[in-house]
Amino acid sequence: SQKIEQNSEALNIQEGKTATLTCNYTNYSPAYLQWYRQDPGRGPVFLLLIRENEKEKRKERLKVTFDTTLKQSLFHITASQPADSATYLCALEVVGRQLTFGSGTQLTVLP
Amino acid sequence: EAGVAQSPRYKIIEKRQSVAFWCNPISGHATLYWYQQILGQGPKLLIQFQNNGVVDDSQLPKDRFSAERLKGVDSTLKIQPAKLEDSAVYLCASSLDQIVYEQYFGPGTRLTVT
Repeated sequence: SQKIEQNSEALNIQEGKTATLTCNYTNYSPAYLQWYRQDPGRGPVFLLLIRENEKEKRKERLKVTFDTTLKQSLFHITASQPADSATYLCALEVVGRQLTFGSGTQLTVLP
Repeated sequence: EAGVAQSPRYKIIEKRQSVAFWCNPISGHATLYWYQQILGQGPKLLIQFQNNGVVDDSQLPKDRFSAERLKGVDSTLKIQPAKLEDSAVYLCASSLDQIVYEQYFGPGTRLTVT
């Protein structure tokens, strides 16, 4: 069956370190993979999109990698700050089909 | 640019009652989505509209859920009758069209069914 798995437990890191979040998928051939941020009581906010033919994409302190052989995406936040604390969702899109979300990873950056 | 608006923000009803949620997407966005997000899970698509036509409603429980998007702008999602398992946050999102993949989400409506 199709499955999207993100870090199973919450992630706590120290301010200034790099946070690395994992998104693994099975039985999908996604054309696109997206990352969203969700704060408590709010809707998700789009961060980055990476296509199947792209290995890496960057935006300011954010970096996403996409390995279609390993069926994995890694999401990095460098020089993390307490304001980066939130739940991060990965989402896959197969051509012609809906966007499917993972359950998210709760990140806490400790001052 | 104004974001996606939703109302109400919170709703508490008893099982077997009915409830309706309203969404106003970003101006000019042709595609509108309704998602259900249960606590601890990611959003799950219920229905997708392109203008005022339904593109995908494969995961909408049609025996109790209905949605419409009249005139291709605002949308309403209705549940009748509600069940305990419908307790969740209902998120509305919009995108410029089906081809542009970035989705903009509203704040959601938190529904509690008692």
